[in-house]
Amino acid sequence: QSALTQPPSVSGSPGQSVTISCTGTSSDVGSYNRVSWYQQPPGTAPKLIIYAVTNRPSGVPDRFSGSKSGNTASLTISGLQAEDEADYYCSSYTSSNTYVIFGGGTKLTVL
Amino acid sequence: EVQLLESGGGLVQPGGSLRLSCAASRFTFSAFAMNWVRQAPGKGLEWVSAISGSGSSPYYAESVTGRFTISRDNSKNTLYLQMDSLRVEDTAVYYCVKEPKRGLPNFDAFDIWGQGTMVTVSS
Repeated sequence: QSALTQPPSVSGSPGQSVTISCTGTSSDVGSYNRVSWYQQPPGTAPKLIIYAVTNRPSGVPDRFSGSKSGNTASLTISGLQAEDEADYYCSSYTSSNTYVIFGGGTKLTVL
Repeated sequence: EVQLLESGGGLVQPGGSLRLSCAASRFTFSAFAMNWVRQAPGKGLEWVSAISGSGSSPYYAESVTGRFTISRDNSKNTLYLQMDSLRVEDTAVYYCVKEPKRGLPNFDAFDIWGQGTMVTVSS
């Protein structure tokens, strides 16, 4: 099964908002509210920042928010900060025998 | 603080074997499903395998089915990944990952990640 589709890169200036999309199919994103987002700064392990489409784990700033419409989930980061510069990955449960599928990743650059 | 510490990575020839370990601490290890997720150099994340808290239910990605075996020893708070018939395309950082819900794998969120261990398959 192919990976979820994310834009390779996005950018924004400090204080601005950016949105990263994650497009799947009716076998994954479109049928289940089981989408998560991960932040991975260079040289580090991924960190869970959104789960179940819209929920933030304890300690994750409310500048990070998630949503979903049809087969596309989105991560919005408001009030961009330099420390937000990282790779971002979405994932979703899938009804295929792959069980879970990731997006290809999006590199966020804070200008 | 909840911690996962992987070990066992290294350089191995194609067709060879390697066993990864992941030592867990500061949570009730036996209650939670655990996973292995890998990341090839410069590439994205790929789910590899999962196992229930009891260890009775393993799950595998198609790319590793028949070659990799996941297991756990709850008395030692340790997760394992036995990797046989290794291929060049298995080269990656392998992360040990915990799920936030108890019991069987849910495949919908991974809340704690280890620092990863590098596996290089090359002649």
